Amino acid sequence: GQNIDQPTEMTATEGAIVQINCTYQTSGFNGLFWYQQHAGEAPTFLSYNVLDGLEEKGRFSSFLSRSKGYSYLLLKELQMKDSASYLCAVRSGGYNKLIFGAGTRLAVHP
Amino acid sequence: DTEVTQTPKHLVMGMTNKKSLKCEQHMGHRAMYWYKQKAKKPPELMFVYSYEKLSINESVPSRFSPECPNSSLLNLHLHALQPEDSALYLCASSPMGNNEQFFGPGTRLTVL
Repeated sequence: GQNIDQPTEMTATEGAIVQINCTYQTSGFNGLFWYQQHAGEAPTFLSYNVLDGLEEKGRFSSFLSRSKGYSYLLLKELQMKDSASYLCAVRSGGYNKLIFGAGTRLAVHP
Repeated sequence: DTEVTQTPKHLVMGMTNKKSLKCEQHMGHRAMYWYKQKAKKPPELMFVYSYEKLSINESVPSRFSPECPNSSLLNLHLHALQPEDSALYLCASSPMGNNEQFFGPGTRLTVL
Protein backbone atom coordinates (compact mmCIF):
# COMPACT_ATOMS: atom_id res chain seq x y z
CA GLY A 1 0.00 0.00 0.00
CA GLN A 2 0.89 3.65 -0.22
CA ASN A 3 0.83 5.84 2.86
CA ILE A 4 2.27 9.32 3.34
CA ASP A 5 1.64 11.11 6.63
CA GLN A 6 2.05 14.76 7.50
CA PRO A 7 0.58 16.89 10.28
CA THR A 8 -2.63 18.56 9.15
CA GLU A 9 -1.95 22.02 10.51
CA MET A 10 0.86 23.98 12.14
CA THR A 11 1.22 27.53 13.36
CA ALA A 12 4.39 29.54 13.84
CA THR A 13 5.55 33.07 14.50
CA GLU A 14 7.10 35.40 11.96
CA GLY A 15 10.90 35.18 12.12
CA ALA A 16 10.89 31.76 13.77
CA ILE A 17 11.89 28.32 12.48
CA VAL A 18 9.40 25.54 11.76
CA GLN A 19 9.93 21.88 10.89
CA ILE A 20 7.29 19.96 8.93
CA ASN A 21 7.64 16.20 9.15
CA CYS A 22 6.65 13.57 6.60
CA THR A 23 6.70 9.80 7.01
CA TYR A 24 6.07 7.43 4.15
CA GLN A 25 5.45 3.78 3.42
CA THR A 26 5.32 3.16 -0.29
CA SER A 27 5.76 0.14 -2.53
CA GLY A 28 8.65 1.85 -4.27
CA PHE A 29 10.82 4.87 -3.62
CA ASN A 30 12.73 6.95 -6.10
CA GLY A 31 12.92 10.35 -4.47
CA LEU A 32 10.92 12.71 -2.27
CA PHE A 33 9.70 16.17 -3.20
CA TRP A 34 8.39 19.10 -1.20
CA TYR A 35 5.97 21.50 -2.85
CA GLN A 36 4.40 24.72 -1.56
CA GLN A 37 0.81 25.52 -2.47
CA HIS A 38 -0.99 28.77 -1.68
CA ALA A 39 -4.76 28.55 -1.53
CA GLY A 40 -6.28 28.32 -5.00
CA GLU A 41 -2.90 28.25 -6.72
CA ALA A 42 -0.68 25.61 -8.31
CA PRO A 43 1.94 23.72 -6.29
CA THR A 44 5.45 25.12 -6.69
CA PHE A 45 8.59 23.03 -6.29
CA LEU A 46 10.67 23.60 -3.16
CA SER A 47 13.12 20.72 -2.80
CA TYR A 48 14.07 17.21 -3.81
CA ASN A 49 15.89 14.45 -1.90
CA VAL A 50 16.85 11.05 -3.23
CA LEU A 51 19.86 10.29 -1.02
CA ASP A 52 20.00 10.46 2.77
CA GLY A 53 20.96 13.77 4.23
CA LEU A 54 20.19 17.45 4.18
CA GLU A 55 19.62 19.63 1.14
CA GLU A 56 19.76 23.37 1.77
CA LYS A 57 18.25 26.03 -0.44
CA GLY A 58 18.18 29.51 1.05
CA ARG A 59 15.64 29.67 3.87
CA PHE A 60 14.42 26.15 3.08
CA SER A 61 16.14 22.85 3.89
CA SER A 62 14.93 19.31 3.46
CA PHE A 63 16.17 16.13 5.10
CA LEU A 64 15.71 12.50 4.14
CA SER A 65 16.28 9.20 5.92
CA ARG A 66 15.36 6.35 3.61
CA SER A 67 15.87 3.66 6.25
CA LYS A 68 13.33 5.39 8.51
CA GLY A 69 10.95 6.43 5.73
CA TYR A 70 11.17 9.96 7.03
CA SER A 71 11.70 13.46 5.72
CA TYR A 72 11.31 16.95 7.05
CA LEU A 73 11.14 20.43 5.58
CA LEU A 74 12.77 23.17 7.63
CA LEU A 75 11.73 26.75 7.08
CA LYS A 76 13.87 29.47 8.65
CA GLU A 77 13.23 33.18 9.21
CA LEU A 78 9.54 32.69 8.60
CA GLN A 79 7.67 35.36 6.69
CA MET A 80 3.95 35.98 6.47
CA LYS A 81 4.02 34.90 2.81
CA ASP A 82 5.14 31.42 3.94
CA SER A 83 1.57 30.78 5.08
CA ALA A 84 0.57 28.00 2.69
CA SER A 85 0.12 24.26 2.41
CA TYR A 86 3.28 22.18 2.19
CA LEU A 87 2.97 18.93 0.28
CA CYS A 88 5.29 15.97 0.67
CA ALA A 89 5.34 13.76 -2.43
CA VAL A 90 7.07 10.44 -3.03
CA ARG A 91 8.08 9.31 -6.48
CA SER A 92 7.07 5.69 -6.68
CA GLY A 93 7.12 3.51 -9.76
CA GLY A 94 7.83 4.52 -13.32
CA TYR A 95 6.97 7.53 -15.43
CA ASN A 96 7.86 10.01 -12.67
CA LYS A 97 4.64 9.13 -10.81
CA LEU A 98 4.18 11.21 -7.65
CA ILE A 99 2.08 10.26 -4.66
CA PHE A 100 1.20 13.25 -2.52
CA GLY A 101 0.62 13.43 1.19
CA ALA A 102 -2.46 15.30 2.39
CA GLY A 103 -0.40 18.43 3.01
CA THR A 104 0.37 20.54 6.06
CA ARG A 105 -1.35 23.93 6.33
CA LEU A 106 1.09 26.35 7.90
CA ALA A 107 -0.16 29.62 9.38
CA VAL A 108 2.47 32.25 10.15
CA HIS A 109 1.33 35.00 12.52
CA PRO A 110 3.02 38.23 13.58
CA ASP B 1 9.19 30.41 -21.60
CA THR B 2 9.32 28.62 -18.26
CA GLU B 3 5.72 28.09 -17.38
CA VAL B 4 2.78 25.81 -17.90
CA THR B 5 -0.40 27.56 -18.97
CA GLN B 6 -3.94 26.28 -18.63
CA THR B 7 -7.21 27.48 -20.08
CA PRO B 8 -9.83 28.26 -19.06
CA LYS B 9 -9.16 29.41 -15.49
CA HIS B 10 -12.73 28.70 -14.48
CA LEU B 11 -15.37 26.51 -16.09
CA VAL B 12 -18.98 25.89 -15.14
CA MET B 13 -20.77 23.15 -17.01
CA GLY B 14 -23.92 21.09 -16.84
CA MET B 15 -23.94 17.33 -16.64
CA THR B 16 -24.91 17.00 -20.31
CA ASN B 17 -22.29 19.39 -21.67
CA LYS B 18 -19.08 18.57 -23.51
CA LYS B 19 -16.10 20.77 -22.76
CA SER B 20 -12.31 20.62 -22.97
CA LEU B 21 -9.48 21.78 -20.75
CA LYS B 22 -6.26 22.86 -22.39
CA CYS B 23 -2.67 22.80 -21.16
CA GLU B 24 0.40 24.13 -22.93
CA GLN B 25 4.13 24.26 -22.23
CA HIS B 26 7.08 25.37 -24.31
CA MET B 27 9.91 24.11 -22.13
CA GLY B 28 10.58 21.09 -24.32
CA HIS B 29 9.26 18.73 -21.67
CA ARG B 30 8.26 15.33 -23.04
CA ALA B 31 6.20 14.19 -20.04
CA MET B 32 2.85 15.77 -19.20
CA TYR B 33 0.37 15.03 -16.44
CA TRP B 34 -3.22 15.64 -15.41
CA TYR B 35 -4.11 15.84 -11.71
CA LYS B 36 -7.41 16.35 -9.92
CA GLN B 37 -7.45 18.24 -6.62
CA LYS B 38 -10.46 18.56 -4.35
CA ALA B 39 -10.59 21.27 -1.70
CA LYS B 40 -8.11 20.75 1.15
CA LYS B 41 -6.92 17.49 -0.42
CA PRO B 42 -3.67 16.67 -2.22
CA PRO B 43 -3.44 16.42 -6.00
CA GLU B 44 -4.36 12.98 -7.32
CA LEU B 45 -2.74 11.74 -10.50
CA MET B 46 -5.13 11.01 -13.36
CA PHE B 47 -3.02 10.55 -16.51
CA VAL B 48 0.62 10.61 -17.61
CA TYR B 49 1.80 11.13 -21.19
CA SER B 50 5.36 10.33 -22.24
CA TYR B 51 6.48 11.32 -25.73
CA GLU B 52 2.84 12.01 -26.62
CA LYS B 53 1.78 8.49 -25.65
CA LEU B 54 -0.50 7.64 -22.74
CA SER B 55 1.69 5.91 -20.13
CA ILE B 56 -0.51 5.89 -17.04
CA ASN B 57 -4.28 5.97 -16.61
CA GLU B 58 -5.10 5.80 -12.92
CA SER B 59 -8.43 4.05 -13.50
CA VAL B 60 -10.09 7.32 -14.42
CA PRO B 61 -13.74 7.11 -15.56
CA SER B 62 -14.22 7.29 -19.32
CA ARG B 63 -16.12 10.57 -19.03
CA PHE B 64 -12.60 12.05 -18.83
CA SER B 65 -10.71 11.64 -22.10
CA PRO B 66 -7.13 12.88 -22.41
CA GLU B 67 -5.43 13.82 -25.64
CA CYS B 68 -1.88 14.85 -26.46
CA PRO B 69 -1.88 16.27 -30.00
CA ASN B 70 1.79 17.28 -29.87
CA SER B 71 4.68 17.61 -27.45
CA SER B 72 3.53 21.03 -26.22
CA LEU B 73 -0.19 20.48 -25.80
CA LEU B 74 -2.32 18.38 -23.50
CA ASN B 75 -6.10 18.37 -23.53
CA LEU B 76 -8.69 16.86 -21.23
CA HIS B 77 -12.06 16.29 -22.85
CA LEU B 78 -15.03 16.23 -20.51
CA HIS B 79 -18.42 14.66 -21.19
CA ALA B 80 -21.36 13.75 -18.99
CA LEU B 81 -19.61 14.77 -15.79
CA GLN B 82 -21.10 14.47 -12.33
CA PRO B 83 -21.25 17.16 -9.62
CA GLU B 84 -18.63 15.24 -7.63
CA ASP B 85 -16.19 15.87 -10.49
CA SER B 86 -16.08 19.52 -9.45
CA ALA B 87 -12.46 20.21 -8.52
CA LEU B 88 -9.27 22.01 -9.49
CA TYR B 89 -7.69 20.28 -12.48
CA LEU B 90 -3.95 20.71 -12.61
CA CYS B 91 -1.66 20.08 -15.53
CA ALA B 92 2.07 19.51 -15.02
CA SER B 93 5.06 18.82 -17.20
CA SER B 94 8.60 17.58 -16.68
CA PRO B 95 11.66 16.57 -18.64
CA MET B 96 11.85 12.84 -19.16
CA GLY B 97 13.45 10.87 -16.38
CA ASN B 98 13.34 11.62 -12.72
CA ASN B 99 12.77 15.34 -12.59
CA GLU B 100 10.59 17.84 -10.82
CA GLN B 101 7.19 18.52 -12.23
CA PHE B 102 6.15 22.05 -13.11
CA PHE B 103 2.50 22.77 -12.44
CA GLY B 104 0.13 25.06 -14.27
CA PRO B 105 -2.30 27.35 -12.38
CA GLY B 106 -5.16 24.92 -12.85
CA THR B 107 -8.73 25.08 -14.11
CA ARG B 108 -11.39 25.32 -11.45
CA LEU B 109 -14.28 23.20 -12.70
CA THR B 110 -17.81 23.33 -11.34
CA VAL B 111 -20.35 20.76 -12.55
CA LEU B 112 -23.97 21.70 -11.95
